[in-house]
Amino acid sequence: LAKTTQPISMDSYEGQEVNITCSHNNIATNDYITWYQQFPSQGPRFIIQGYKTKVTNEVASLFIPADRKSSTLSLPRVSLSDTAVYYCLVGDIGGATNKLIFGTGTLLAVQP
Amino acid sequence: DTGVSQDPRHKITKRGQNVTFRCDPISEHNRLYWYRQTLGQGPEFLTYFNYEAQPDKSGLPSDRFSAERPEGSISTLTIQRTEQRDSAMYRCASSLGGTGGDEQYFGPGTRLTVT
Repeated sequence: LAKTTQPISMDSYEGQEVNITCSHNNIATNDYITWYQQFPSQGPRFIIQGYKTKVTNEVASLFIPADRKSSTLSLPRVSLSDTAVYYCLVGDIGGATNKLIFGTGTLLAVQP
Repeated sequence: DTGVSQDPRHKITKRGQNVTFRCDPISEHNRLYWYRQTLGQGPEFLTYFNYEAQPDKSGLPSDRFSAERPEGSISTLTIQRTEQRDSAMYRCASSLGGTGGDEQYFGPGTRLTVT
C-alpha cells in the first residue's frame, strides 16, 4: 500500500504562492492522487485530483512528476482563510487495491 | 453543509457497550465511505460501499466493527463491545463513483467517547 509523507507544518504570508509536497513512493499503477483541505471541527473538503502531469482548477494546481512518487499542491496567492490542514490522499476505489490512504496532513498557517 | 448528514454528532458510551452510527449521503451518490480520525491524524479508511455492495472490509480494525447499507442509501456503522481505543471521530463521505478516488463529500462526523 502507498504510504504518504507530508511536512507537518508550513508558514506563509498573505498573497504568496504556497507549494505543499507529498511523497508516496509505493504508489500503485492505478492509484489517483487527491488533495483535501480540512478546517477545525469540519470534514475534509476536496481541492483537486490528478493521475499524472499537471492539473489546474479555479483554486489550485497539482503537479505530478513522471515517476508519480510525489505530488505538489500549489495554492496561488493564499489568504488568511487558507489556514487549514491539507491532506494528500492516494488510492484506487473500484479498481485493483480498493484502498485509500490519507497522509498525516500539513498544517498551513497564513499570516497577514 | 455538504449534504451528507451523520447522526448522532456526539456519543458517550461505557466500555463494553455497542454503538451504532448513521450516515445519510447525498441522494444521487453511489459510493459511501467510512473513516476514523483521531486528533492530529489524517482520516483512516475503514470501508466503502458501491450501492449496497461492500467490496472490501479489510480496513475495519477488528471483527467488532461492521457496516451496512442495505438499500444503497443510508448506511450504519456498528461497533460492538466498545473499547477505550475506539474513541475517535467517525466520518462518512459519499461520491458519485468512478475510477480512482473521486471527489468525496464528507459529513460532519460522529465523535465517540468511550469511558
